[in-house]
Amino acid sequence: QSVLTQPPSVSAAPGQRVTISCSGSSSNIRTEYVSWYQQLPGTAPKLLIYENYKRPSGIPDRFSASKSGTSATLDITGLQTGDEADYYCEARDTSLDGHVFGTGTKVTVL
Amino acid sequence: EVQLVESGGGLVQPGGSLRLSCAASGFTFSISWMHWVRQAPGKGLVWVSGLSSDGSGTTRADSVKGRFTMSRDNAKNTFYLQMNNLRAEDTAVYYCVRGANSAFDIWGQGTVVTVSS
Repeated sequence: QSVLTQPPSVSAAPGQRVTISCSGSSSNIRTEYVSWYQQLPGTAPKLLIYENYKRPSGIPDRFSASKSGTSATLDITGLQTGDEADYYCEARDTSLDGHVFGTGTKVTVL
Repeated sequence: EVQLVESGGGLVQPGGSLRLSCAASGFTFSISWMHWVRQAPGKGLVWVSGLSSDGSGTTRADSVKGRFTMSRDNAKNTFYLQMNNLRAEDTAVYYCVRGANSAFDIWGQGTVVTVSS
C-alpha cells in the first residue's frame, strides 16, 4: 500500500551521520510537500520535518531534509542513542487524493 | 497543553462496528483538518482518512471507502471515526492526528482496534 519507498534500515556509530532516502513519483513527492516523522519504540509518531525542510519548534538542527525531483532525503548528524527509532516520510498524493507514508526506516546506533 | 486523546478501541468480531472518538484540547479545533492514521502490529503507518474543519470535505483511503465515516463536533472539540463491516486487516493502532502546514503535527497516543472472532 505504501507508494513511497525507504530503505528498511540504516545504522551508524554515535556521532556519525545517517541518510534516509524516500523515493516517490510525480503524483506525490515531485509536486507535494514532504514531511518526516520519528517514531520511538512504543510511542506515537512525532513530526520532525514539514514542507520539505522546515523544522518544528524544538527539533534540533541535527535533523535536516531536502527534496529533489521525485525523491526526498532526511539527514541525521551527530547521531545519538536516543535517535534509535523508526522514521517515515509522507506526502500527499494527487492521484490517490489522499496521503501516503513511506515504508519506514529503522535507525540503529551501533 | 496541546493534546489529542483517542478512545473507543477494543475487540470486535469480523463484520462488526466500532466508533472511535478523539478529544482535542489546547488548540483551535474548529479550524483544523483532522485525520486518522493507523498502524497494524509490527507494520508501518497508513493514512486512513481526513475531514475538513467544517466537516464538508472528506478524503479516504480506498481500503476504507464505503465502510468508514468521519464526523466532528466542533462545539465539543471532538472528532469521530465510525467503522462498519470491520475486517481482520483493520486490526491496528488508530491515531487521531491534526493536519497543519501540509503535515501531521499533533498525534494522539492511539487506541487499539482488534478485529477477531
